This record gives sequence, structure tokens and C-alpha cells, in this order.
Amino acid sequence: GESVGLHLPTLSVQEGDNSIINCAYSNSASDYFIWYKQESGKGPQFIIDIRSNMDKRQGQRVTVLLNKTVKHLSLQIAATQPGDSAVYFCAENMRTGFQKLVFGTGTRLLVSP
Amino acid sequence: EAGVAQSPRYKIIEKRQSVAFWCNPISGHATLYWYQQILGQGPKLLIQFQNNGVVDDSQLPKDRFSAERLKGVDSTLKIQPAKLEDSAVYLCASSTFRGGGGELFFGEGSRLTVL
Repeated sequence: GESVGLHLPTLSVQEGDNSIINCAYSNSASDYFIWYKQESGKGPQFIIDIRSNMDKRQGQRVTVLLNKTVKHLSLQIAATQPGDSAVYFCAENMRTGFQKLVFGTGTRLLVSP
Repeated sequence: EAGVAQSPRYKIIEKRQSVAFWCNPISGHATLYWYQQILGQGPKLLIQFQNNGVVDDSQLPKDRFSAERLKGVDSTLKIQPAKLEDSAVYLCASSTFRGGGGELFFGEGSRLTVL
């Protein structure tokens, strides 16, 4: 299928390596953050989320770190697999009351066997 | 559980023509979103519904785009007349959450090419 993005920042890793994808968010008042994975020709798929009262959350093979001081999020993927190859987006909730998710520009992860 | 359904998956039109996209959210999800994703960029929110009411349409180009969710279930996004820069994937998402933050479930998207 057609690529989601042709000029995105790209992280290339070997299968089995750990991957770290970074994201700078814009609003210091944002209270909720999500990482999404988007494969070619598909809609974004939820990976993991974190609220602003936490600085770390772990899932299966994934960890999200939140540094509110410098408005920075990271997604760590352990033992990266070829199936992890995709574009990864962070999103922040920029509104109290009704949620408004604003997405970043994305990072392409390429995993070589 | 069925996911978010969108149609058509692909559409090619000439500029100044019109097009409509349809979305059926996950059953029971009160909040519905339309996002526009231009190639190489993250999704951008166009409009957000809570049941059949509009919560946010601040980034919807209202001179050419319109959207409705008449019965609080499925939704239609229309573009008339289309411009070249409207070429993008139109993503529909739904959620059970009103506020406080929660996962959005996305459909596969409708890819529009304007020639």
C-alpha cells in the first residue's frame, strides 16, 4: 500500500534492538497523552496512553515516559520486531472538558530482519 | 465488536466536484471525530460531535466542508467544491469518553485524490 508519509523522520533499527521514539508536545496544560501506530493504508491504532499525573507507564513490550518539565514524551519498544515497522504518532489532549486530541508529525520506524 | 466503518475507501474526483464520506462509529460511542491526514503529516481534527451536537468545528473550512450526525450515530462529511489541497485521507474516529482523556478508535480512512 501507499506510504503514510514520505518525508517523516525515520528511525532504523535491527530486529531485536530496543527502539526509542521521541515526541515534543506543545501545551504545558495537556493532561493526557497517547501513542498511536499507523501501518500503511490503515487507520491509527492505539498503543499506550499516560496521564499527566504519571511519569512512566508500561505495557507489553512498550513503555511511555513523560517529562513535563521539558514537555517531552518517549515511546520505548523492547525487542523490536519487523511487525513494529510503521509510523508512530504521539497525541496530546489539549482541552479540558470535551477531549481534543492533537497529533504530532510522526516518526517512521523501520525494522530490519 | 465491530470497528469504525468508513466508505468509500478510495475516491478520485476533479477539482470543483463534490464528494461525500460516510462513517459508522462503534456501537454506543457518543463522541465522533473527523480528522484530515495529508501525506507526511499527522491527523488534523476537522470536527467533533458529541451525540448529534457539534463540540468543535474550529478547523473545518466551512466554505466548502460540511458534516452532520443527524441521529447521533453515523456521520457524513461532504466537500463541495473540492480543491487540489483537499487530497488527503479522511479518518473517522469514535470514543466513549467525553473528557479527561481516553482512546480514540479509528477507521481505515477514506483516501481522496483531487485532480
